[in-house]
Amino acid sequence: EVQLVESGGGLVQPGRSLRLSCAAAGFTFDDFAMHWVRQVPGKGLEWVAGISWGSAVATYADSVKGRFTISRDNAKNSLYLQMDSLRLEDTAFYHCAKVLHSETYWGSFDSWGQGTLVTVSS
Amino acid sequence: DIQMTQSPSSLSASVGDTVTITCRASQTIDNFLNWYQFKPGKAPKLLIYSTSNLQTGVPSRFSGSGSGTHFTLTISSLQPEDFATYYCQQSYHLLTFGGGTKVEI
Repeated sequence: EVQLVESGGGLVQPGRSLRLSCAAAGFTFDDFAMHWVRQVPGKGLEWVAGISWGSAVATYADSVKGRFTISRDNAKNSLYLQMDSLRLEDTAFYHCAKVLHSETYWGSFDSWGQGTLVTVSS
Repeated sequence: DIQMTQSPSSLSASVGDTVTITCRASQTIDNFLNWYQFKPGKAPKLLIYSTSNLQTGVPSRFSGSGSGTHFTLTISSLQPEDFATYYCQQSYHLLTFGGGTKVEI
């Protein structure tokens, strides 16, 4: 069974940094691209960033470009999101997600974590 | 960016009803349209990928159709566990989600 478990969320002041982690299990992690998606409580979903299986390609939403960095450690079956210069509008639940097909970078997400809450507030 | 517009934003239904949710794209996205179910406190669930392909393990009462810019998710014979929020997502260019449809009793 595929499992994705996020951690690292919390309360942080504007301008500060936070690093999220996603521990993966139940599949061959280094065969699949991975992504981060966020959801503002009670509101919609926004794709944040994606990374290819071997880290050669990383893509970001315009809203986080230059502030967030996605990375992965295939030896540790882990995905990360380094969030710098945090803003109030970055407050959201952050989910890691696995693409459905190993040969794709974009596409549908067949497995998601439950999410970790990041609250940016002074 | 491709905008995805879902309707309705919420609906009330009863067990056994057939429910249809619509998703419109701001430009053609071929068949790169996926549907998800969200429930509070649970990991989101992929229902339909590439417009009409039922994800493994998803009941056959869920179905998807459409092409180009207009897509639908249909839930036949609504079950108690289907009360949730549903989102469409395009993967034609980057990734964007619809605003969600909350299906309530």
